[in-house]
Parts: sequence; structure tokens; C-alpha cells
Amino acid sequence: NAGVTQTPKFQVLKTGQSMTLQCAQDMNHEYMSWYRQDPGMGLRLIHYSVGAGITDQGEVPNGYNVSRSTTEDFPLRLLSAAPSQTSVYFCASSYSASADTQYFGPGTRLTVL
Amino acid sequence: SQQGEEDPQALSIQEGENATMNCSYKTSINNLQWYRQNSGRGLVHLILIRSNEREKHSGRLRVTLDTSKKSSSLLITASRAADTASYFCATVRNNAGNMLTFGGGTRLMVKP
Repeated sequence: NAGVTQTPKFQVLKTGQSMTLQCAQDMNHEYMSWYRQDPGMGLRLIHYSVGAGITDQGEVPNGYNVSRSTTEDFPLRLLSAAPSQTSVYFCASSYSASADTQYFGPGTRLTVL
Repeated sequence: SQQGEEDPQALSIQEGENATMNCSYKTSINNLQWYRQNSGRGLVHLILIRSNEREKHSGRLRVTLDTSKKSSSLLITASRAADTASYFCATVRNNAGNMLTFGGGTRLMVKP
């Protein structure tokens, strides 16, 4: 199994541009989530999904959209990038919404100029 | 707002010494988890302790939980240079499904 994969590893955007961060898992996990990590802040939950077709907001959802059309994929869309969205983004998955262990991807480092 | 706060923010020790990191949180929890993050990498799950447990061991790791003080500690015994990483506590609140709320982390450096 590849586990949780994220693309791209690095991305630089200009303010106002849009892009999609990709996340995929091959473990047949129902629960997937997106976090952002800022220096000294730990990780904060952006959006999560308990299964295909179901998504919900986390702690910091503004400026981001998600969809879950398949079990494997959970893309994160930035509609109009802002410098405040400069961060490292991590995708995570777990077997279910009540499973104990979450598996994290390697992260995408995003810079918005 | 962050649920967990780690202390200290940074810790530097010699190989072979023990490392202790502390975590405090604000609300009632279902469980508390510790994760490790190597520089530039994703997080790796280390250990989970449930709200009805007081202590748990896994290899060189020992975790304690004091729900009356809303605090937890992670002890790494006989540290190695490979233990150099950031360590995060994360809580799962009651009725919050699988949503993790992270603290700011402790940066551990183990000198050979």
C-alpha cells in the first residue's frame, strides 16, 4: 500500500489564483481530513469527510472547498488564494470516523505571494 | 482555538537521557494521542490513551493521563539521536467523532 499520498509537494501561487491540492489513500479508509500547519500553531482541521459524498467543516474552513466523490480521493480547493493561506497542508485518513489511528500524508508546502 | 498546549516548546538532551514532554488541554476528552513529526515530514501516530486510562506503555514510550488536571505527559526513555523530532499531543473530544485538536508541539533534539 502507498498509504496517504499528496500532490504536489511544493506550490507557489499568486494572490487570487486558484488551485487544488490532491490527496489519495489506498487503504479503503472511510474518514479523511485536511489540516493546515502554521509555525507554532500545531495542526488545525480545515474540512473532513466521514465517507464518499459526505463532507463537513472543521475549525478553519473559510477559503477552502472540498468534495468526496470516491472513497479514495479527497481534494482540497483554494478558490482565490490569499497570503494568509501560506502554510503546510496535511491530509489524513482513518478506517472510520471512530477509529483511533489516523495516517498522515507527507504534506504540501504552499506559498501564496 | 488549540485544545492542547505542550510544554516545553523545545527540549535538548544528550543521547541516553530521558525526555519528558507535557500536554494540557481544556475540555473533556474521549482520548488523547501523541504524534511525532520528523522535519519536513508528515505526522506518525505514536500512542493513544483513553480517558479512563491513567498510564500506557509502548516500547520506550510511557504516557500518563490525569483527567482531573486535564494533562498528559510523554516520557521517552534512553533517548536516541533518531528520536530528534517534534512531538504533538492531540485530543479527541467527546461527541466529536475522530476530529483531532492539536497542541503547538515540543521540538526535541537528542545530541549524540
